[in-house]
Amino acid sequence: DQQVKQNSPSLSVQEGRISILNCDYTNSMFDYFLWYKKYPAEGPTFLISISSIKDKNEDGRFTVFLNKSAKHLSLHIVPSQPGDSAVYFCAASEPLSGTYKYIFGTGTRLKVLA
Amino acid sequence: NAGVMQNPRHLVRRRGQEARLRCSPVKGHSHVYWYRQLPEEGLKFMVYLQKENIIDESGMPKERFSAEFPKEGPSILRIQQVVRGDSAAYFCASSPGYRDEQYFGPGTRLTVT
Repeated sequence: DQQVKQNSPSLSVQEGRISILNCDYTNSMFDYFLWYKKYPAEGPTFLISISSIKDKNEDGRFTVFLNKSAKHLSLHIVPSQPGDSAVYFCAASEPLSGTYKYIFGTGTRLKVLA
Repeated sequence: NAGVMQNPRHLVRRRGQEARLRCSPVKGHSHVYWYRQLPEEGLKFMVYLQKENIIDESGMPKERFSAEFPKEGPSILRIQQVVRGDSAAYFCASSPGYRDEQYFGPGTRLTVT
C-alpha cells in the first residue's frame, strides 16, 4: 500500500527551464511534507519542507506547493541547473503515528540537460 | 561539524552470516531512524530510536532484525542469518528533536552472496 506516490520515474529538462516534480498521497492525516535530493552512492539531502497549514513554501530556486484537497504536492526548480540532476524523493509524516517517521515516495530521477 | 556517519559503507556477507551496521548521529542529535532502500524502490522506515529506547519498530521484520542505540556509542542495526533478500542500502538518519528534519548518512550497501 503505497501512501506516497511519485508517478513519474524520470524527467528531463533543459538547463535554465523550470523543473516540476509531482507527488500524490493518500493519507489525509499527513501534516508535514518534505523533499529530499539524492545523488548516487550518497544519502538523501534535505531540500525543502511544507506544513499542511501552508500551501506554498519558497527557498531560493526551490518552491513547494501543497494542494490538500487534491492530496498533491509539487516541487518547482527554477531555473534548473545541471547540478540539480539527481533523484528527488518526496516524503510525508503523520502526527498520529507519534514518531514522525517519514513515508517516502519511490523517487523521480531528474536530468537537467546543458 | 560532522554529519551522520555510517560504517561500513559496503558490506558483503554470505547467507547465514550476521551483519552489523553502525550509525553515529550528528553530535547532539538524540533521535535516530533506520530506513532500507531496495533496488528501484523508495526508502522504507524500519525503526526509530532514542537513547537506550526503541520508540517505533513497526517497519522492522519480526525475525532476525534488531536495533539499539546505547547511551554511549553508535546506533547498531543487526541482521542475523542474512538472506539474499536482505541485500539493500540501509540508511540511518538523525534529528535533534522528534519533529525536526532528519539528516541522512551515506548509507551502508549490504550484499548477501
